[in-house]
Amino acid sequence: DGGITQSPKYLFRKEGQNVTLSCEQNLNHDAMYWYRQDPGQGLRLIYYSQIVNDFQKGDIAEGYSVSREKKESFPLTVTSAQKNPTAFYLCASSPMGQKNTEAFFGQGTRLTVV
Amino acid sequence: AQSVAQPEDQVNVAEGNPLTVKCTYSVSGNPYLFWYVQYPNRGLQFLLKYITGDNLVKGSYGFEAEFNKSQTSFHLKKPSALVSDSALYFCAVRDRDTGGFKTIFGAGTRLFVKA
Repeated sequence: DGGITQSPKYLFRKEGQNVTLSCEQNLNHDAMYWYRQDPGQGLRLIYYSQIVNDFQKGDIAEGYSVSREKKESFPLTVTSAQKNPTAFYLCASSPMGQKNTEAFFGQGTRLTVV
Repeated sequence: AQSVAQPEDQVNVAEGNPLTVKCTYSVSGNPYLFWYVQYPNRGLQFLLKYITGDNLVKGSYGFEAEFNKSQTSFHLKKPSALVSDSALYFCAVRDRDTGGFKTIFGAGTRLFVKA
C-alpha cells in the first residue's frame, strides 16, 4: 500500500534530550512537510522540503532540525533548544510540479516531555 | 502573507440537519483551497479542494464547499449531517501564484453531530 509512515506513534522525552521522529513515504512525492499541532492552534509549519538535499524553514523552525538525504525520508529532530516540545507532530507529502494537489498525511507522532 | 481563519471553534448540529463550517482566507495571489478532516489521534484526511472553475465543489462523504471570491470564503457544507461526521475540520490555502508549495492551515473547527 502507498502512503506515509510515521514512527513511533508515541514518544517520551526527558528534558534536555534530542529526539528524532521518523517519516517515510512510498508515494514518490518530491515535497514533504512537518507540522506541529497544538489544541486550538491548528497546524503550524515547522519545515518543508521540495527536493532532496534542500529544505526551508516554516513558521516555527526554532528548536527543530531536519534532513532530506533520500526522497522517501524526511526525519525531524526535536532538539533540547525547543522549549515546549510536547505536541502532536504530523508529516505530509505532495507531488512536486502540481501545486493544486492535496497533501497526504501520516498518522502522527505524539511527543511528550517527562 | 497567507492566512486562514475558521471563526468557530465548535459547531453543534443535530443528525439529519444541514451543517456549515466556515472558512475565510487571505492570499496575495489566487488561492487553491482545501478541506481536511481529522479523527482523534489520527492524521488529516483530504475531503475536497477548489482549483478553478465551478465555485461549488463536491467531495468525499457527501461534503461540498462553495468558493466565494468576493468574500474570500470557502465554507464547508453538507445537506444532512451524520453522527459519524463528528470530527475536527481544517481549512487550508496555498497561494497559486507565489509562496511555492507552502500550505497554511486554519485552527480547526470541531463538529459535534448529536443523534
